[in-house]
Amino acid sequence: KNEVEQSPQNLTAQEGEFITINCSYSVGISALHWLQQHPGGGIVSLFMLSSGKKKHGRLIATINIQEKHSSLHITASHPRDSAVYICAADRGAQKLVFGQGTRLTINP
Amino acid sequence: SQTIHQWPATLVQPVGSPLSLECTVEGTSNPNLYWYRQAAGRGLQLLFYSVGIGQISSEVPQNLSASRPQDRQFILSSKKLLLSDSGFYLCAWGPGGSQYFGPGTRLTVT
Repeated sequence: KNEVEQSPQNLTAQEGEFITINCSYSVGISALHWLQQHPGGGIVSLFMLSSGKKKHGRLIATINIQEKHSSLHITASHPRDSAVYICAADRGAQKLVFGQGTRLTINP
Repeated sequence: SQTIHQWPATLVQPVGSPLSLECTVEGTSNPNLYWYRQAAGRGLQLLFYSVGIGQISSEVPQNLSASRPQDRQFILSSKKLLLSDSGFYLCAWGPGGSQYFGPGTRLTVT
């Protein structure tokens, strides 16, 4: 069993839909990262959180430390949100353990 | 502002040939530096990290090595490439929180 599990692996939705991607981890962490990987491979850091909730534009990330679970939400999804979203657990000293990623496709 | 560079962007190398990938960071000093690999169809995996010049920690045993000859330079090397070394290699730096990723090098070993 992977230390970081994401679900779903693939998600296709229509423009405007509310999107939720889930991440569960089994290791002790100092923080949880959400990353976005574009089709060309480039990776952008979206959030780093260790408790509660963070919001940036249409993106919201939450974490429940007791349940070892985090979610990434996208409101009013748009085709430009199509990408692979990756959850990563920081085991300390920024040594990240990654989930397999969720491939999101938003159709117009 | 900080910038991270990687080169080359793509590379095709025969099995048994040497490898050198370079990563440099601008606009910061004494960053933590990381090398990751993403094999085809698989998730990202941490290969090496460095907290200072000459200080390298390896996360997984493999055919690769890393060096940090200067504060903002991180090099990934191999003496003899294997087919299994193919993948997308990403360098990242961290100031103590978020990590910032370079554009990556796509390596194909033939």
